[in-house]
Amino acid sequence: QSALTQPPSASGSPGQSVTISCTGTSSDVGGYIYVSWYQQHPGKAPKLMIYEVSKRPSGVPDRFSGSKSGNTASLTVSGLQAEDEADYYCSSYAGSNNFVVFGGGTKLTVL
Amino acid sequence: EVQLVETGGGLIQPGGSLRLSCAASGFTVSSNYMSWVRQAPGKGLEWVSVIYSGGSTYYADSVRGRFTISRDNSKNTLYLQMNSLRAEDTAVYYCARDRDGYNLMDVWGKGTTVTVSS
Repeated sequence: QSALTQPPSASGSPGQSVTISCTGTSSDVGGYIYVSWYQQHPGKAPKLMIYEVSKRPSGVPDRFSGSKSGNTASLTVSGLQAEDEADYYCSSYAGSNNFVVFGGGTKLTVL
Repeated sequence: EVQLVETGGGLIQPGGSLRLSCAASGFTVSSNYMSWVRQAPGKGLEWVSVIYSGGSTYYADSVRGRFTISRDNSKNTLYLQMNSLRAEDTAVYYCARDRDGYNLMDVWGKGTTVTVSS
């Protein structure tokens, strides 16, 4: 059982928007700004998409955005494209004992 | 080009030991926070260990006391020494650069597969 809770699946049609939630506790998501989202295509390494809740690394399209409210973080993908179909993992810094915790992952399907 | 390449995976019997290596290019391992993250077959990501630029190390509860993270500055390489391996350690092991030590893993290797089985 993962420390952070994500829905196992999400879907949307090309051009639509989809939001993936990530629920933790006050010891991780709710307690720090250090929430990240990673994209993983089958057989590939994860790729950083969002860090510090809402910041995008260079090269990540602005169609990807992040937010947080209380113990729940969210990733929104706007203007869905076929190449967005992948697994998405949220993660959070959780202090010096647990360091980093991940969600179980959400499989995003572009219909 | 900034790159990480993991090696050292393989098939190992329960109770055995294995050392994974992660060679970096394009940046200096010792100046960065470096992590190991694993992914069991068909499962999600699990953080394993981190070494800070200052040398401090941290481990997940599931591996503490069995795994040791280290680095060789002269070889610009990160290591993960894995002892007393269990079936549940079977996974793809990724090394990653963590830019700030707080879960900002911006460079990942392609991973190396460890299978623990008799």
